[in-house]
Formats: sequence, C-alpha cells, structure tokens
Amino acid sequence: DSGVTQTPKHLITATGQRVTLRCSPRSGDLSVYWYQQSLDQGLQFLIQYYNGEERAKGNILERFSAQQFPDLHSELNLSSLELGDSALYFCASSPSTGGWGYTFGSGTRLTVV
Amino acid sequence: GESVGLHLPTLSVQEGDNSIINCAYSNSASDYFIWYKQESGKGPQFIIDIRSNMDKRQGQRVTVLLNKTVKHLSLQIAATQPGDSAVYFCAENIGGTYKYIFGTGTRLKVLA
Repeated sequence: DSGVTQTPKHLITATGQRVTLRCSPRSGDLSVYWYQQSLDQGLQFLIQYYNGEERAKGNILERFSAQQFPDLHSELNLSSLELGDSALYFCASSPSTGGWGYTFGSGTRLTVV
Repeated sequence: GESVGLHLPTLSVQEGDNSIINCAYSNSASDYFIWYKQESGKGPQFIIDIRSNMDKRQGQRVTVLLNKTVKHLSLQIAATQPGDSAVYFCAENIGGTYKYIFGTGTRLKVLA
C-alpha cells in the first residue's frame, strides 16, 4: 500500500456522462498530481494542486476539472465523456510543490461505452 | 485484468537470467531520473533513481546506468524472477520541479 488512495478502482459509464474520481494523498503530503494513462501511451500529466491551490496544468481538456479540498483530498471531474477518455487515471502525491518523493496511487480505470 | 500498454515493446527473459531495459530520455537539461515498475492493476512503483552527477547506481538486484552524452538510461535486473514481470518505464525530471516526463515503457516477461 503506497498510502495514496484512489476510488473507485473501476468505473464504467456512457458517453456524454460525468464522473468524479477521488484521491486521498499520503499522510503529510500537500501536493496532488493527476495523470492519465492510455493504451500505448506513457503517463500524461493533467494537473497539480498544492495545499488547495492549483499550481500547474498540463494537457488537461476543458471538459476536465479538478480541485483539492481543505482536508487535502482531491477530485478529478470528467464531463461530456467520450470513448477516447477511457484510460487509467492516476493520482500521485508529494510532500511539497516539487516532484521529490512522488508516490502513486493504484489508479482508477475508466471505461466509456 | 491487463493494464495499459498492450502494444508496448516486450522483453522476454528466462528466469534467473539478467534483464536490461533501455530508455531514451528527451531533455538534455533533465537532472534526475527514476525507474518505475508497474504491475497489472497497480500504480507505478518506485524502483531506483539516479541524479545526473552519477553514471551508475546500484540497488538490491537492480542497477541503473546513465549516459548523458546520448541521453540514455538503462535498468539492469540481476537474476530475474517471475515477480519481476511488469511494465518498466523511466521518468525524467528537471531541477526537482513538479513535472516528470514519463517514457512509454517496456513489458518484461519472465519465462519459467
């Protein structure tokens, strides 16, 4: 157990729908990062939050949004889902704003049908 | 079930043999590198890291080699075991920033 908790583990939904993925960072970590991993692709950075504030954005679609709550858990919201959004979504956390001490969760597998 | 990367390059090795997995990184300014192992249904797991001021670093059964001249990393696994079967990928980082660039990975299959 890495200490980073992601729920749900699996999600199947229809096109056009909206889903929310949840991440609880490792105890003491203030930064949360969201990544997307599609077939044949490496991990693509989506967005980073640090202590409740957005710190960096990567290749995140406008249909996607995220937030980090006062208790430091984070949610990734995916809306108007398309078939191509099917992927593994990983959350990672680290103690500070930099990338040292990165720890990944076990991911949420999203299938859009 | 199977995880991502159904079409990844695959390295098949006999149990007990040594494995060498290679990675070409993209940014000459990258100064910190990590090898991750990803088993089916799990998140990436840290294996070993190396900073750019080193050429080689050893862990338990694993060694990472860094060649900055050609921007190349390799991961050597000694006496490969069935539990080593997974997807392995490298990640590069610049100056401890938030952003890592991840390679697409290599699938290691250990043959009994």
